[in-house]
Amino acid sequence: EPEVTQTPSHQVTQMGQEVILRCVPISNHLYFYWYRQILGQKVEFLVSFYNNEISEKSEIFDDQFSVERPDGSNFTLKIRSTKLEDSAMYFCASKRQPQETQYFGPGTRLLVL
Amino acid sequence: GDSVTQMEGPVTLSEEAFLTINCTYTATGYPSLFWYVQYPGEGLQLLLKATKADDKGSNKGFEATYRKETTSFHLEKGSVQVSDSAVYFCALSDPPGGFKTIFGAGTRLFVKA
Repeated sequence: EPEVTQTPSHQVTQMGQEVILRCVPISNHLYFYWYRQILGQKVEFLVSFYNNEISEKSEIFDDQFSVERPDGSNFTLKIRSTKLEDSAMYFCASKRQPQETQYFGPGTRLLVL
Repeated sequence: GDSVTQMEGPVTLSEEAFLTINCTYTATGYPSLFWYVQYPGEGLQLLLKATKADDKGSNKGFEATYRKETTSFHLEKGSVQVSDSAVYFCALSDPPGGFKTIFGAGTRLFVKA
């Protein structure tokens, strides 16, 4: 069964460093998402992406964050200058059509020291 | 704005006990409703969904019925197993298939042998 993949599974970085989290959505999907889950807390929407542009973003998704689909398969989340409070699990998700099921990747656990 | 409220955990049950996890929602439109499960150290898996009033979603012995009149989508299972120990998230998408999914805070379930 096709699945969303994410790399790396874990990343440790120093505060102020840039990180790029990578996702490979399911191949025929058109809608892409990033979510964040701070340890022990709820899953929060960050951003959605369709047709090579951001469709919607939350207030968490400030100027430090950016997303890109650099080629036909990858979908990336960049955090320009990480802060301690960026430490979280980041989930990528995709769906083929708006009304269809959203599939989540296994997540990247980011730790900012 | 749209929101999901679910009962706080943790919920601790003995094997073969009956499970109910309450979930209510607030939405401006007519949302689709979901239950996701997160096993320890893993990502989010869609457990079941319902897209219109009175629909019953079911999977792996879990059920939830979309109740528009009470804006609820309670998760039930007749006989839990140790392997059901996980965090369960109620979620909505409004409008259905809308760009983002909104999650409840999650309810941790422990099942004792």
